[in-house]
Amino acid sequence: GAGVSQTPSNKVTEKGKYVELRCDPISGHTALYWYRQSLGQGPEFLIYFQGTGAADDSGLPNDRFFAVRPEGSVSTLKIQRTERGDSAVYLCASSLGDLPFGGDTQYFGPGTRLTVL
Amino acid sequence: DAKTTQPPSMDCAEGRAANLPCNHSTISGNEYVYWYRQIHSQGPQYIIHGLKNNETNEMASLIITEDRKSSTLILPHATLRDTAVYYCIVRVPTSGTYKYIFGTGTRLKVLA
Repeated sequence: GAGVSQTPSNKVTEKGKYVELRCDPISGHTALYWYRQSLGQGPEFLIYFQGTGAADDSGLPNDRFFAVRPEGSVSTLKIQRTERGDSAVYLCASSLGDLPFGGDTQYFGPGTRLTVL
Repeated sequence: DAKTTQPPSMDCAEGRAANLPCNHSTISGNEYVYWYRQIHSQGPQYIIHGLKNNETNEMASLIITEDRKSSTLILPHATLRDTAVYYCIVRVPTSGTYKYIFGTGTRLKVLA
């Protein structure tokens, strides 16, 4: 079946602009995650959704970053007043859902490469 | 902060076994170890995971020490397509959910 998809694959914007990054999770997956990956680093957790609600947003760097998942499927990561330091690859992952026992494997999309000039 | 440490790079001859070590000395009893790999410009790809028993699937084997403070990912017959960055991850329970704590990974180069 289809995997996690992310659009756009590349986004170039100017400092101070607003951007939206979209994630389509695997059908039936109730859990959705956003990560940010800077050059040469491992992905860094940003936010986690279980259904429509953000269960853990402790990784969002500041209040310029916001994410929504209004219908429990597609999610949008929104960045206001972009800064050059926001340049990175933004990865989305999804999983079947929160399980109290056993593993809950996350499946990643290809990412959106954001460049802020 | 990352809960795992890995060597930054390794080389392996094509056709030989690649053994990638990982230290996770502060792991808690209910925290799983996951391995992913990332080929250039792609998202991380799931390989295998375990809690305390050794695990094997079609891609790899995972050996976890009895004290759970370290593990080794084994690719039994490495091919050129296995060249990638390999991440050892601890899945951390938090607020009733889970998140992955990535380190900086091991860049594996498979040599012809």
